[in-house]
Amino acid sequence: DIQMTQSPSSLSASVGDRVTITCRASQSIIMYLNWYQQKPGKAPKLLIDSASNLQGGVPSRFSGSGSGTDFTLTITNLQPEDFATYYCQQSYSAPTITFGQGTRLDIK
Amino acid sequence: EVQLVESGGGLVQPGGSLRLSCAASGFTFSSYSMNWVRQAPGKGLEWISYITSTGSTIYYADSVKGRFTISRDNAKNSLFLQMSSLRAEDTAVYYCARSEERLVLPSRYWGQGTLVTVSS
Repeated sequence: DIQMTQSPSSLSASVGDRVTITCRASQSIIMYLNWYQQKPGKAPKLLIDSASNLQGGVPSRFSGSGSGTDFTLTITNLQPEDFATYYCQQSYSAPTITFGQGTRLDIK
Repeated sequence: EVQLVESGGGLVQPGGSLRLSCAASGFTFSSYSMNWVRQAPGKGLEWISYITSTGSTIYYADSVKGRFTISRDNAKNSLFLQMSSLRAEDTAVYYCARSEERLVLPSRYWGQGTLVTVSS
């Protein structure tokens, strides 16, 4: 099984800040890395697929990069609605996908 | 509009059984593979099962293999998860999620989830 490791597990930031979340795969997943945002009591929302492909309707302050085993999600100019938990997910071994453990982004 | 609505969750004793349903609408259900993903309270997301559009191919995570059974009824636009020999660690919100036509693309559409609590 492909293991996904996110860091940090939690992060405090202020409105207007720039934050970066890292996701590392236990083996190369080429570019099959996706990012979800989840708010309490809600289903995950897809932000980015294929490492860097921003979904329609997702603000351009979200961006993704990386390939192989190392990936990042960057959020610039943090907005109040961005405080949530973020998960990376590998789909290289789809349909048996795996998620990172999540990064909780809190308001400082 | 694509909609996925789970139901069937509730409180069940350890060793018990429960059947979850996911009602799909807004798309041609019989053309898409489907998944179940769960999330234990305060924990991360765990994929647990996948079924192709015809039901001919099925996968399970090791954590549920032999205890859970995924199935579907394309005539009724419904996905099911039969859960048996339930354990406390199966306590979670269970989501159904639609696979995309290209399997390597992530699920865009998820239901709102249904809570299963395994406790005596």
